[in-house]
Amino acid sequence: AQSVSQHNHHVILSEAASLELGCNYSYGGTVNLFWYVQYPGQHLQLLLKYFSGDPLVKGIKGFEAEFIKSKFSFNLRKPSVQWSDTAEYFCAGRGAGNMLTFGGGTRLMVKP
Amino acid sequence: DADVTQTPRNRITKTGKRIMLECSQTKGHDRMYWYRQDPGLGLRLIYYSFDVKDINKGEISDGYSVSRQAQAKFSLSLESAIPNQTALYFCATSDAGQGARGYTFGSGTRLTVV
Repeated sequence: AQSVSQHNHHVILSEAASLELGCNYSYGGTVNLFWYVQYPGQHLQLLLKYFSGDPLVKGIKGFEAEFIKSKFSFNLRKPSVQWSDTAEYFCAGRGAGNMLTFGGGTRLMVKP
Repeated sequence: DADVTQTPRNRITKTGKRIMLECSQTKGHDRMYWYRQDPGLGLRLIYYSFDVKDINKGEISDGYSVSRQAQAKFSLSLESAIPNQTALYFCATSDAGQGARGYTFGSGTRLTVV
C-alpha cells in the first residue's frame, strides 16, 4: 500500500454496539494490510493482518476485518464492543522497502 | 523482559537542551524505526535503519538525529529540543524482507519540552 487513510477520527459507542472502522489503501502491488490497537498508555499491538487467501481475517479479542479489493478497503469490525475496547486503532499497509505506512488512527470510546 | 525496550519512559526537558532517547531490542531484527505520535496525526516516521550501516530519513527528520550503535540499539537525539517536539515517541523493529509481517513496538517515551 502506498498510502493508508482512516476516515473516522473519533468514534463513540455504547457497550454491546457493533463496530466498523474504515480503512482505505492505495494499490501498490502486493497487498499486505494490518490493524493495530493502542490501549491507553500502552504501545501498539497487532490485532490482525491480511496477506492473501480468505479476505475475511479474524484477529484477537473478537475483531475481524474484511479485505475488499474492489473497494480498496480493509475495514475493522466487532459485533459487540466492550468498555475495554476503548483504544486507538491504526490501519497499516505494506509500502516501499517492506515498510509499513500507517493511517492517522481512530480513537474509539466505548461508554459503559 | 520486553522485546523492544525504550528508555526513558517519560521525560521533561527544557527548550534548547539536547536529549537522547534509547531503544534496544532482543528480537534479532535487522530493521529499526523511530516514530512520533501526535493526537490526530497518527504515527509519523522520523528515521529508520535497515542495518547498522544503513540509516535513512523519514518524513519528519528535521531537528532529529539517530545513531545505530549495534544491531540491537537505535538511539534518537534531539539536538536542541523545542516545544513542538513534545510528543509520544515509539521505537519499532522488523525483520528484513519480512517487514510486511508486522512491526514490534516499544512501550514509548513521552517527551515534554517546556
